[in-house]
Amino acid sequence: GAGVSQSPRYKVAKRGQDVALRCDPISGHVSLFWYQQALGQGPEFLTYFQNEAQLDKSGLPSDRFFAERPEGSVSTLKIQRTQQEDSAVYLCASSLASWGALGNTIYFGEGSWLTVV
Amino acid sequence: QQQVKQSPQSLIVQKGGISIINCAYENTAFDYFPWYQQFPGKGPALLIAIRPDVSEKKEGRFTISFNKSAKQFSLHIMDSQPGDSATYFCAASTHENSGYSTLTFGKGTMLLVSP
Repeated sequence: GAGVSQSPRYKVAKRGQDVALRCDPISGHVSLFWYQQALGQGPEFLTYFQNEAQLDKSGLPSDRFFAERPEGSVSTLKIQRTQQEDSAVYLCASSLASWGALGNTIYFGEGSWLTVV
Repeated sequence: QQQVKQSPQSLIVQKGGISIINCAYENTAFDYFPWYQQFPGKGPALLIAIRPDVSEKKEGRFTISFNKSAKQFSLHIMDSQPGDSATYFCAASTHENSGYSTLTFGKGTMLLVSP
């Protein structure tokens, strides 16, 4: 597609429910990032993939959060046993190059809005 | 520890005026400073970016001013228009040894340009 596509756009989950959020990056983009954006805040880094390899998961807030990108394209962020504090917009982003961000534009999707009730 | 501090939190500017948003950073290893624009319900979109080897970059009505010694950078929107009303985020990144970098964002500034 032309841009980063995320689904579902909106998800309401009951506390304790598992959720899966999908990201379809721009075709050919090597790098894929997940960010979490709480209401009224800036995005915060969760995890990074270079192709299928998860090189950094230091931002994942707990072991209830898991991300994968098995074939180096589509990625899924899974949250187990959701809690109210997980309510946020989950943004996926991709970039063409595998190296640092010097001039390497990172493109964001529109996000998946998760509300845990 | 917040590595990128952004101000003001919100800003109201009259149409045709100049909007100024400021950011300060702490990590001297940061080497890329982009600004993102986000409309409600949308993801952030890159607006303009600067590297620390220049003090200013201009693209159309948007200008970044960068002060390396003060560890500060700012976004200036000239001739502000109602269509510029959005949330603006400054960000910074560093070229990690592992060959990639991630963005650290400020908390954002909600800009409203009144007609």
